[in-house]
Parts: sequence; structure tokens; C-alpha cells
Amino acid sequence: DVKVTQSSRYLVKRTGEKVFLECVQDMDHENMFWYRQDPGLGLRLIYFSYDVKMKEKGDIPEGYSVSREKKERFSLILESASTNQTSMYLCASSPAPQASGSNEQFFGPGTRLTVL
Amino acid sequence: GQQLNQSPQSMFIQEGEDVSMNCTSSSIFNTWLWYKQDPGEGPVLLIALYKAGELTSNGRLTAQFGITRKDSFLNISASIPSDVGIYFCAGQFGYGQNFVFGPGTRLSVLP
Repeated sequence: DVKVTQSSRYLVKRTGEKVFLECVQDMDHENMFWYRQDPGLGLRLIYFSYDVKMKEKGDIPEGYSVSREKKERFSLILESASTNQTSMYLCASSPAPQASGSNEQFFGPGTRLTVL
Repeated sequence: GQQLNQSPQSMFIQEGEDVSMNCTSSSIFNTWLWYKQDPGEGPVLLIALYKAGELTSNGRLTAQFGITRKDSFLNISASIPSDVGIYFCAGQFGYGQNFVFGPGTRLSVLP
């Protein structure tokens, strides 16, 4: 079974703090994604990565950065947390399409971040 | 950006009833996924659909890839309390492209 783990289930930070959210997958997937989930807005893509050292902006990258130094790990960074970044953050991974014939995304359990 | 619509937004049903929900788009997709999310957890993949008209089952769940490629349907038969949660659809325009997610249908099952 695919396993995607996230470093924290719940996190409380103060405005202006630097926040790191870590995601690790154990299925050797090439692709990794960070989403935020807010009531009524569904899942919105922040950043994604198709390979180590690669990163691409999603739909809402402002205020975020990412790091992918190893294939299995994809980190989301909030350089200076703000209250409007209070949300549920979901990490996902998927195989490269040519590798498996499918590229369904598998999600971690989520990190609920509260910025005070 | 592209959007998916899900209907209904929420539903309350009696245990044992069948459930139907759908997902629609103004654009054509080549892949549809259906996920379920329990409270406080990440979405779990239920069913993947790759071909227009395709009908796929997973236990009591059945999903269909609409023939127009602009919609998909999920049915749950004989609902049970553990079916409670939010059901998301996701569509993909082209192979290898990112998925677009719907806003979800919240299902409540009354005993």
C-alpha cells in the first residue's frame, strides 16, 4: 500500500513565524504535491514537483515555497506565517504516468495549521 | 482556473438507502477519480475511471465516466454509518497533467 506521511497532524504557530511542513512517501513516486483545503473551496494546488530539485507553482503559490532534496520528501515552507494561511494542508504523491500507466494521487493524513 | 461542480453539496439519508452524486465540468476530461475523506483525515482514493462510458465498482460503490466526458457519477448502495464523510471528484484534462478537484459532497447517514 502507498503510504504518505506528514510530520504533524496539528500545528499552532504565531504570525510571522517560519513554518515547515514535511511530507514523506514510501512508494518511490516521482510526483509530489501540496494542497490546502478550506471549507467551500475544495482542494487548491500550492506547489508540485515532478522530480528531485524540481518545483512548479500551482494555483496559489503566494506566501509559500517548497523544497525537494530527496525523491521521497517534499517540504512546504511558510516563510512568514499569516492568519490567512490557517488551513488544512494535504500532501499527495503519484507515479509518473509512463512508469505505471496511471497517475492517481495518494494523500497523506493532512496537517491542520492554525496561525494566531 | 478550471472548476468542477459537485451535486448535491450535502445530503442526509437513512441507513440502508442508496446514494447518488455527480460531478460536472465545462471541459472534457480523460480521467476521473473519486475520493472519500473522513473527518480530520486525508482523502482516500475509491475509484479511478479512464474511458468514456466506463462503469467501475468497488464493493458497494459504483462510478461511471460520463459519455460526454464532462461528467461522472458515484453511487453507493445500501448505505451504512461508516459511509459518512466528504466525497470528492477529481478530473484530469490530459495524461500527466494535474488534477482539478471538486468542492465535495458531504454525506450524513442517519441510523
